[in-house]
Amino acid sequence: QKEVEQDPGPLSVPEGAIVSLNCTYSNSAFQYFMWYRQYSRKGPELLMYTYSSGNKEDGRFTAQVDKSSKYISLFIRDSQPSDSATYLCAMSEYSGGGADGLTFGKGTHLIIQP
Amino acid sequence: NAGVTQTPKFQVLKTGQSMTLQCAQDMNHEYMSWYRQDPGMGLRLIHYSVGAGITDQGEVPNGYNVSRSTTEDFPLRLLSAAPSQTSVYFCASRPRQGGLGNQPQHFGDGTRLSIL
Repeated sequence: QKEVEQDPGPLSVPEGAIVSLNCTYSNSAFQYFMWYRQYSRKGPELLMYTYSSGNKEDGRFTAQVDKSSKYISLFIRDSQPSDSATYLCAMSEYSGGGADGLTFGKGTHLIIQP
Repeated sequence: NAGVTQTPKFQVLKTGQSMTLQCAQDMNHEYMSWYRQDPGMGLRLIHYSVGAGITDQGEVPNGYNVSRSTTEDFPLRLLSAAPSQTSVYFCASRPRQGGLGNQPQHFGDGTRLSIL
C-alpha cells in the first residue's frame, strides 16, 4: 500500500530560523526520495533528490533519509521570506521510466515571517 | 523557454459538460503525465504517456481520457464533468533518459477547474 504522511501545517517561523519538514511512509520498497517546492498558483519544482538512506546538502537545504524508520526530512537553514511555499515530499520505487511511480505527500505550507 | 504550457488557467463548467485541458511542452520530452491536486489529498496521477501513441492509466483515471498524437501535446479530456472533478490539474514532462534525480519532472502552472 502506497501511503505517505505529511503534516499540512501551516508552519510559521521567523526569518533566519532553521526549518524542519518531515514525511513518514509505509512502503519499504521506496528507494528514491524527493522534495518539491510549490509557490502559490504555480506548479511544483524539484528541490532535492536522494537515493536510499543518507544526507544530501545543497546550499541552505539538507535532505535526510532514514529508511529503517521510514522517515525523511528537509532542513532549511537561515530561512528567508522567499522560502514561503508549500513543500511536497515524493517518493518512488523506481529511478525512472513509465509514470515514475511517484507518490506524493499532501504538502506542508511554510510561512517565513520577516 | 516556454517549458510546459497549460491552457486554460481557469475554467468553470456545468455538470455533464465536456472539455479538453491542453498541455504542450517544447523540450522534446518523451514522458508526459497528468496529475490532479486536491486539498488534503496531494498530487495524484491520472494518466501518463511514455511517447507518442502510448498512454496508460494512473491512480485515478476514471472520467478522463487522454491521447498522445505528437511528442509535444498531451490533452486531457473530461467526458462528462462531475463536481468531484473540481480540482487543480497539472501536466508534467521529462525526458526518457536519466533517472528522476538527473531529469526531474517539469510541471506546468496548472488549470483550475470548477464543476458546478
